[in-house]
Amino acid sequence: DAGVIQSPRHEVTEMGQEVTLRCKPISGHNSLFWYRQTMMRGLELLIYFNNNVPIDDSGMPEDRFSAKMPNASFSTLKIQPSEPRDSAVYFCASTQAGSQETQYFGPGTRLLVL
Amino acid sequence: GESVGLHLPTLSVQEGDNSIINCAYSNSASDYFIWYKQESGKGPQFIIDIRSNMDKRQGQRVTVLLNKTVKHLSLQIAATQPGDSAVYFCAETYTGKLIFGQGTTLQVKP
Repeated sequence: DAGVIQSPRHEVTEMGQEVTLRCKPISGHNSLFWYRQTMMRGLELLIYFNNNVPIDDSGMPEDRFSAKMPNASFSTLKIQPSEPRDSAVYFCASTQAGSQETQYFGPGTRLLVL
Repeated sequence: GESVGLHLPTLSVQEGDNSIINCAYSNSASDYFIWYKQESGKGPQFIIDIRSNMDKRQGQRVTVLLNKTVKHLSLQIAATQPGDSAVYFCAETYTGKLIFGQGTTLQVKP
């Protein structure tokens, strides 16, 4: 089975540009999570979806960040406009429904905003 | 609070020795715990999990111990190998979300 798929793997952009990160969860998983990882703050949950519905977006830093899940097999995380402090590795993870289920992570998107 | 912390940022062990990575959690209501391994340039990879109704669980070369009395979690790796070198995170499930600790770097010396 394919794991969680993320694209792009690397993104370099200039401050002010729009950035869109993409995720395809594992087939059959109906919960999807977006995380951000930095040296200073570690792994932070940004938002998660159950059955394509956003459940908790309290981790989204500010209005510049938005996430969508139009169907069970695709999600996007968008940053507009991007800022240098958004530079981080962004991970997507998926799991079967329920809090007592293991989350499986994708390889991440390494974002650098100049 | 909702913090999960690791006692040591870096652990250095000799190849073949056993490794013990510790983790403290602060939410008594947390009911599910996971250890993840993250190698450089990769996403966190599931190692082993344990539910709150258990105090020990064994996998292949790994054992997780849970002490709910002192809210402590540990990961034991037997016969540590160079391929075990990575950052290890504990995570707890609280209010439906996984909360990660800061991570411990495991360095295996040949």
